Amino acid sequence: AQSVTQLGSHVSVSEGALVLLRCNYSSSVPPYLFWYVQYPNQGLQLLLKYTTGATLVKGINGFEAEFKKSETSFHLTKPSAHMSDAAEYFCAVSGSGSARQLTFGSGTQLTVLP
Amino acid sequence: NAGVTQTPKFRVLKTGQSMTLLCAQDMNHEYMYWYRQDPGMGLRLIHYSVGEGTTAKGEVPDGYNVSRLKKQNFLLGLESAAPSQTSVYFCASSYGGRGSDTQYFGPGTRLTVL
Repeated sequence: AQSVTQLGSHVSVSEGALVLLRCNYSSSVPPYLFWYVQYPNQGLQLLLKYTTGATLVKGINGFEAEFKKSETSFHLTKPSAHMSDAAEYFCAVSGSGSARQLTFGSGTQLTVLP
Repeated sequence: NAGVTQTPKFRVLKTGQSMTLLCAQDMNHEYMYWYRQDPGMGLRLIHYSVGEGTTAKGEVPDGYNVSRLKKQNFLLGLESAAPSQTSVYFCASSYGGRGSDTQYFGPGTRLTVL
């Protein structure tokens, strides 16, 4: 079985400040890890994913995430928040099986304050 | 290239009524999925399909049926709607079924059951 825990259902940062969204996972097999973003009234859009290789993954819009196996974490960061980053962010995990096993966290709503 | 589209965008039903949600993708993807999104719960998989003519149950299949008569379309049916099925429904597709394959999401259908 696999699961995802996102710490903090709501995170607020000031424009220009560091964004840190936390994600911890559990998986009985080597995981594939994803971050998706959902803007209001829209579908989910892939930000980045970790499959194999380099543990620091760079995504779109200046986001990046680091896979830390020892900590079972895949935290999402961005050095400087922009107003347009306000959205809901979902971490997801899948195992080495089929993609139907994609399991989502409960989401983190990011607010960017002017 | 429209990606994944969903019809309708909004729907209000009375308890006991039936309806069908349509998902279409133009990326020639083999795998398609139906999720529901509820506040604080992330996305949960309802049903999925690994190819034309195939369907399988996900995490929360009760009260729903699906069909995949054509590769590009995946239909989700509610035979007798209940208030507990009030949710936002997302369709997704992926090229293959590997855990590393990215799922591409549609814009969602907001369903209210009175």
